[in-house]
Amino acid sequence: GAVVSQHPSRVICKSGTSVKIECRSLDFQATTMFWYRQFPKQSLMLMATSNEGSKATYEQGVEKDKFLINHASLTLSTLTVTSAHPEDSSFYICSASQGLRNQPQHFGDGTRLSIL
Amino acid sequence: KNEVEQSPQNLTAQEGEFITINCSYSVGISALHWLQQHPGGGIVSLFMLSSGKKKHGRLIATINIQEKHSSLHITASHPRDSAVYICAVYTGANSKLTFGKGITLSVRP
Repeated sequence: GAVVSQHPSRVICKSGTSVKIECRSLDFQATTMFWYRQFPKQSLMLMATSNEGSKATYEQGVEKDKFLINHASLTLSTLTVTSAHPEDSSFYICSASQGLRNQPQHFGDGTRLSIL
Repeated sequence: KNEVEQSPQNLTAQEGEFITINCSYSVGISALHWLQQHPGGGIVSLFMLSSGKKKHGRLIATINIQEKHSSLHITASHPRDSAVYICAVYTGANSKLTFGKGITLSVRP
């Protein structure tokens, strides 16, 4: 099946640091990538949708200046958490899709971010 | 009311039992995803279906579009099946998903 690689799997860093998370589709062209955040024992919450070559569409309540998304190629999207604070600690997971109707999303393994 | 409801919320079974996890949705959908999330966090897509029934190994997924209901069945359950099972639906022209809260399944040896 389709493979999506997410890196790093875990990050521990100090408050004020910016953290970049990469999401790569390894064997298909991901026209659309999705970034999710998940709190303990909660479901996935969509943060933003990114289409290759265009600006990301952010969900209501998600700060676009805080969570910078870049989708410069058909195989790579990045999420940068700028000036991270302890409240940004969470599990972040990406998924990738070919973007057409009814094309499935393929998920990465997630990144556990801990801000001290 | 959530657009995607799953039941039961938590489920404990004995190894070998037949398990059924349910999902109901209140919106029009183009397809439905069953996802499995292990304690480490990674998510695996089990099935994507828009009608009828699909089978893969010990897993069977069914969907009834008229009743807006889907079930995931696990036959001969095993402790390694312990995970969170998430139902998610595609509702729009793009690939955006709406998620249920997930069901935590524990299979005891």
